[in-house]
Amino acid sequence: DAGVIQSPRHEVTEMGQEVTLRCKPISGHDYLFWYRQTMMRGLELLIYFNNNVPIDDSGMPEDRFSAKMPNASFSTLKIQPSEPRDSAVYFCASSVRNQPQHFGDGTRLSIL
Amino acid sequence: GENVEQHPSTLSVQEGDSAVIKCTYSDSASNYFPWYKQELGKRPQLIIDIRSNVGEKKDQRIAVTLNKTAKHFSLHITETQPEDSAVYFCAAKDAGGTSYGKLTFGQGTILTVHP
Repeated sequence: DAGVIQSPRHEVTEMGQEVTLRCKPISGHDYLFWYRQTMMRGLELLIYFNNNVPIDDSGMPEDRFSAKMPNASFSTLKIQPSEPRDSAVYFCASSVRNQPQHFGDGTRLSIL
Repeated sequence: GENVEQHPSTLSVQEGDSAVIKCTYSDSASNYFPWYKQELGKRPQLIIDIRSNVGEKKDQRIAVTLNKTAKHFSLHITETQPEDSAVYFCAAKDAGGTSYGKLTFGQGTILTVHP
């Protein structure tokens, strides 16, 4: 299995630009999670989906952040407009109910 | 919601010594407790997990213990090696309701094993 696939691996963009992060979960996994990792705040859950439906988005920092899962094999996390404080590593993870979460390699985002 | 506290934040040991990392959780309904290892610049990777119906689980040099009454669980690494150096995260999973499936992570422990 290819594991959870995230793209891009690195993104550098200027403040105010739209950023789109992409995730392909492991085939057959029905849960998908988006996390943000920073030194100050650690690993934070932003939002998660079950069977493509958003279940809990209480971790999404503000309206500039949005996430979608149009089908079982694809999800996006969008930031518009981006700000320097959004700089972080964003991880996507997937799992089957009652089984461990598997993380992707992450997207390192830098907003200048 | 769930709250997970992890200690210590940094741990330095000599090669061959044991290392212990402790976590406490707040929600007595949590029923699944994984541990992840994250090397520098890499993704978190599951190293061991335990469910609430078990008190201890072991996998070679790694073991996890769970005390449901006290709401704490610990990671034990024996005969540490330099390649064990990494950040270790504990987590607890919500057992029900709309938070089912959600993991709450501790703040992480930076483990350094000196040769």
